[in-house]
Amino acid sequence: QTVVTQESSFSVSPGGTVTLTCGLSYGSVSTTSYPSWYQQNPGQAPRTLIYNTNKRSSGVPDRFSGSILGNKAALTITGAQADDESAYHCLLFVGSGIVFGGGTTLTVL
Amino acid sequence: QVQLQQWGAGLLKPSETLSLTCAVYGGSFSDYYWSWIRQPPGKGLERIGEINHYGSASYNPSLKSRVTMSVDTSKNHFSLNLRSVTAADTAVYYCARFGYDFSFDSWGQGTLVTVSS
Repeated sequence: QTVVTQESSFSVSPGGTVTLTCGLSYGSVSTTSYPSWYQQNPGQAPRTLIYNTNKRSSGVPDRFSGSILGNKAALTITGAQADDESAYHCLLFVGSGIVFGGGTTLTVL
Repeated sequence: QVQLQQWGAGLLKPSETLSLTCAVYGGSFSDYYWSWIRQPPGKGLERIGEINHYGSASYNPSLKSRVTMSVDTSKNHFSLNLRSVTAADTAVYYCARFGYDFSFDSWGQGTLVTVSS
């Protein structure tokens, strides 16, 4: 079964830039993987940030951007703010279906 | 603006059947797939499956033998049944709309389901 990989944790300084990645246990992520990204705060439902690689959902600040970097999908936060401290989940279409990564906990400090 | 509101029993005993329903308000019910996703305590998200308004469903292979999803197009509701639950099925369960770009674009509020004897 395909495994979607994410960093388990990451930290960034306020105002800094951080790139989270989303890969595959076998093979490369491309635009045909339709990567999407979700932000989740404790006790809340996920919020959709990015879909179809790099499209921002309505109301998402432009400091969040999506891309393909090498063989992975990437979520970049430029000018991190304190309330960006959250869990970030990626989702990939892998042909046999859709699979979530394990999620990355981002600390802003 | 679509809104999803879900409900169902929050405490089950092992071997019982988990049943949740999600109501869709606003937007088109027939133009999308409708999904269930779960999140065990302290863990990541896990896709359970999706269903369209015709009742055609696709399930996570790891759960397929125990899952049934259904739709009620007269009420714009869709439902999840998960049979023979164990403690490993303890999780927050979310309903969500699965959009055209293989992403989830609207989410229910989540329901914590605990399986305990």
